[in-house]
Amino acid sequence: AQRVTQPEKLLSVFKGAPVELKCNYSYSGSPELFWYVQYSRQRLQLLLRHISRESIKGFTADLNKGETSFHLKKPFAQEEDSAMYYCALRGFNKFYFGSGTKLNVKP
Amino acid sequence: DGGITQSPKYLFRKEGQNVTLSCEQNLNHDAMYWYRQDPGQGLRLIYYSQIVNDFQKGDIAEGYSVSREKKESFPLTVTSAQKNPTAFYLCASSRDQGYSQPQHFGDGTRLSIL
Repeated sequence: AQRVTQPEKLLSVFKGAPVELKCNYSYSGSPELFWYVQYSRQRLQLLLRHISRESIKGFTADLNKGETSFHLKKPFAQEEDSAMYYCALRGFNKFYFGSGTKLNVKP
Repeated sequence: DGGITQSPKYLFRKEGQNVTLSCEQNLNHDAMYWYRQDPGQGLRLIYYSQIVNDFQKGDIAEGYSVSREKKESFPLTVTSAQKNPTAFYLCASSRDQGYSQPQHFGDGTRLSIL
């Protein structure tokens, strides 16, 4: 069965510290993976896709098929990164979302 | 301004009442989706549609109904059969074809019970 797991509900770090939001997936085919972000009072929006292999707002994510993971990383967290982050997988014409991780970056 | 428009922003339902949430997109996307967002549970798929006049049930379709008469519109009706309708509802759309096409989301509708 298709599943996306984000094990951390809340992650708190200090400004300038590295941050890693974990995402593991279960999928029988070739996965299409995404990270979405929801800032306070804003709509859910795409942060990055695994196919892009680019850095967005300093965040990167590498697809590790061996470990079935797609962790989101940023070397130096900023206060404006505080938001809800969702990992998503697209498969069989549907999207599967993890339960989300709330990132709190403290000053 | 292209995007997805959901209305109303807030909606209240009385016992035994059906209510309809509107979702309109001008992105020319084929696929549209409805999700329910509850605290700590992420997004759960209610219904989705890949083409006009066709739609499929998602994981939590009971108590909900949809229609897709136009490409731009995908309204969701929360029926009286849905016993726990209080939630935040999100509509999304995406291109159906093409690898790694992301979803675009609306601002959501918050439904509460009177």
